[in-house]
Amino acid sequence: QSALTQPASVSGSPGQSITISCTGSNSDVGNYNLVSWYQQHPGKAPRLIIYDVTSRPSGVSNRFSGSKSGNTASLTISGLQADDEADYYCNSYSSGSTLYVFGTGTKVTVL
Amino acid sequence: EVQVVESGGALVRPGRSLRLSCTASGNSFHTYTMNWVRQAPGKGLEWVGFVRTNAYGGAREYAASVKGRFTISRDDSRNVVYLQMNSLKTEDTAIYYCARAFSSGTFYPPFDIWGLGTLVTVSS
Repeated sequence: QSALTQPASVSGSPGQSITISCTGSNSDVGNYNLVSWYQQHPGKAPRLIIYDVTSRPSGVSNRFSGSKSGNTASLTISGLQADDEADYYCNSYSSGSTLYVFGTGTKVTVL
Repeated sequence: EVQVVESGGALVRPGRSLRLSCTASGNSFHTYTMNWVRQAPGKGLEWVGFVRTNAYGGAREYAASVKGRFTISRDDSRNVVYLQMNSLKTEDTAIYYCARAFSSGTFYPPFDIWGLGTLVTVSS
């Protein structure tokens, strides 16, 4: 089972918006609205920031938003802040041999 | 606030076994599916498996990479979930996180409460 494909790194200046893509297949992202996104600061546990493609858990800033088109899901961070510098992982339910598939991860750098 | 704490990580030889524990706070542990997720050093996240609640028969599912070697179980009387790892391989070296399934209303929910993880090193 292959991991979902994410860009290795994305960067932006404070206040800008950035978008991270997450490309899968018809076995996962393309056929199910069960995409979630996690933020992980160095040495810390992951934190859920988006679920079911577009929903935000209570307490997560509305600067984080999710979307999906075909086999590609996206996470947009608007009004980029220094604390947004972290690794981001997408995840999707999959009808393949492994039920949950994570993305390869994207390192976000705030310039 | 609900918290989960993993324990049991160690250095083990290839082919040996190890059991990890995850203890959760709160009174509603028995109502949540519990997952294990791992992260090899410097690498990405990998879902390992989950155990559903007794309301769903305690059903368990595993990643293809660990199926047949790892077993997840739960003891709701102690608010604990276990990960029994047998026939360990060097590629099982990772931080193992326990993660609670979020009450999103779907049958395959995301993971909202994570522990700090416990390190398992498989090496000769």
